[in-house]
Amino acid sequence: GAVVSQHPSRVICKSGTSVKIECRSLDFQATTMFWYRQFPKQSLMLMATSNEGSKATYEQGVEKDKFLINHASLTLSTLTVTSAHPEDSSFYICSAGDRKKGQYFGPGTRLTVT
Amino acid sequence: GENVEQHPSTLSVQEGDSAVIKCTYSDSASNYFPWYKQELGKGPQLIIDIRSNVGEKKDQRIAVTLNKTAKHFSLHITETQPEDSAVYFCAAGVTGGGADGLTFGKGTHLIIQP
Repeated sequence: GAVVSQHPSRVICKSGTSVKIECRSLDFQATTMFWYRQFPKQSLMLMATSNEGSKATYEQGVEKDKFLINHASLTLSTLTVTSAHPEDSSFYICSAGDRKKGQYFGPGTRLTVT
Repeated sequence: GENVEQHPSTLSVQEGDSAVIKCTYSDSASNYFPWYKQELGKGPQLIIDIRSNVGEKKDQRIAVTLNKTAKHFSLHITETQPEDSAVYFCAAGVTGGGADGLTFGKGTHLIIQP
């Protein structure tokens, strides 16, 4: 399978600050990367689809100005949570997709906003 | 949009017995059906996937079956072992691979009793 990394694995920030999460596809070039959010004991919810060199496509109900996504290269996508609030605390997981390989997930980032 | 239903939410089986998890989907355009295993605090791990041109796929102790007419697919794990204990998610996608966002089921907590 493919390897996807995320950094950081855990982050604690104060309310009102911004946090950036990086997602890297280590062993294949992913034209498409995805960001999901998972609350405790719940399923994964797709937040946005990120294509290299173009604007991200956000799912209904996800604020694009709050969750900034940048996909600068075929192996790197970043998610920035701006002006974070306690309700943004969650497990954020990225994935890298390929029509032949399938979709592989990173290890996730636990965000806690205090 | 796509809706994926997954049952049961919790499944407890004796070590060595088989486990079956079932999912249904609503969008007939979906043609990619992966299964993920998620351990506590980690990202989902792709364990097997099936595309709509195939009715069954097997990989050692794991098999997946797909019934396109009935819009349901199932995960079968034989000779279960303690390390199979985890939460399992089914998902459905449209592009035949990983190049599209996935819709996930709510997950099944599989417990292997020693």
